[in-house]
Amino acid sequence: TQLLEQSPQFLSIQEGENLTVYCNSSSVFSSLQWYRQEPGEGPVLLVTVVTGGEVKKLKRLTFQFGDARKDSSLHITAAQPGDTGLYLCAGANAGNNRKLIWGLGTSLAVNP
Amino acid sequence: KAGVTQTPRYLIKTRGQQVTLSCSPISGHRSVSWYQQTPGQGLQFLFEYFSETQRNKGNFPGRFSGRQFSNSRSEMNVSTLELGDSALYLCASRSPQGVSDEQYFGPGTRLTVT
Repeated sequence: TQLLEQSPQFLSIQEGENLTVYCNSSSVFSSLQWYRQEPGEGPVLLVTVVTGGEVKKLKRLTFQFGDARKDSSLHITAAQPGDTGLYLCAGANAGNNRKLIWGLGTSLAVNP
Repeated sequence: KAGVTQTPRYLIKTRGQQVTLSCSPISGHRSVSWYQQTPGQGLQFLFEYFSETQRNKGNFPGRFSGRQFSNSRSEMNVSTLELGDSALYLCASRSPQGVSDEQYFGPGTRLTVT
């Protein structure tokens, strides 16, 4: 069974701090996506990484795909209250009929 | 371009009843997936429909069923509701072009079973 483990599960920080959340698996993925979900809403796609070692930046968010395509990290610089939400990672495996494997998420609270 | 829409947004039902939820994907998207989200279990995949055919299925009992219409709109049905079915039900559509693994979610239907 393919699993995606996200850590930490919960994170509460002050505005302006930096943080990193992780998404790890023993399986290889053809692509990995990060989503952010706010309370009462559906997840919103932030980024997709496809190539091992790939780094993508979205303003203050930096996403990295591991060289072996088994893990990924999300780094937020100078966090703001608007970054509060549930961060989910999802991995796709072309051999699995493109069914996504989801992590349980990291719940981030950024306090003003 | 309109996003994924789901109706209703909120629903309260009693144990033993059945419920039907509706999802309209982004125009041009032919794949619709359904998920159940609860605080303890995270996002649990129910099923995916593509061109009116079920393409993938999760590990849910037969009380959970779905269908897709020729215009790509999809419905899911839960029969004989149980208290544990209380959850946020999300549907997502996939882009037919580019990186096809990317999913676009609707706002969800919050189902409460009493």
